[in-house]
Amino acid sequence: DAGITQSPRHKVTETGTPVTLRCHQTENHRYMYWYRQDPGHGLRLIHYSYGVKDTDKGEVSDGYSVSRSKTEDFLLTLESATSSQTSVYFCAISGGDYNSPLHFGNGTRLTVT
Amino acid sequence: AQSVAQPEDQVNVAEGNPLTVKCTYSVSGNPYLFWYVQYPNRGLQFLLKYITGDNLVKGSYGFEAEFNKSQTSFHLKKPSALVSDSALYFCAVETDSWGKFQFGAGTQVVVTP
Repeated sequence: DAGITQSPRHKVTETGTPVTLRCHQTENHRYMYWYRQDPGHGLRLIHYSYGVKDTDKGEVSDGYSVSRSKTEDFLLTLESATSSQTSVYFCAISGGDYNSPLHFGNGTRLTVT
Repeated sequence: AQSVAQPEDQVNVAEGNPLTVKCTYSVSGNPYLFWYVQYPNRGLQFLLKYITGDNLVKGSYGFEAEFNKSQTSFHLKKPSALVSDSALYFCAVETDSWGKFQFGAGTQVVVTP
């Protein structure tokens, strides 16, 4: 498995609280991604990063922000969690060559009550 | 806009029988297509990809996929299924924005002994 660690693996939080999920990679890959997985929707891109301090929005970015201050770390923040953000969140990395496949972490299961 | 569709939510097959998981795509240019597999409580794992060249692509764990341009399909196949192939399978297309992928909704494969 590619060296990708997501933390925490599970989290339960209350509506309105801030939540930060962390992705740490040891592959020195340039590209990092945050996806959410929901039944019937597959994976949907939230945000991605193409380098330190370089990030962009995906298709479901509302309510989420990201930061990347180091190559190895990519943080996803829910500023004020809502029940619709209950999901499984996956971090992925890519070597950056065109057509490079994604390598995924094992996910964070987030429940917002 | 690039998109993929997986028309079957679930595929049931007996061990030893051939396995096919269907995927159709819609792209505006050359299609770059991928298959991933997800086991319970794990992230997605890359199986294979089609970029150009031979229409039959071979990948990990004995899987292969057939690219058909006229039918805009990229079906995943395995000649003889194993119980351990039971998992969730995702088709994906790399969009016209480099490094960004569109995933299908996923197909659950159940292989019975």
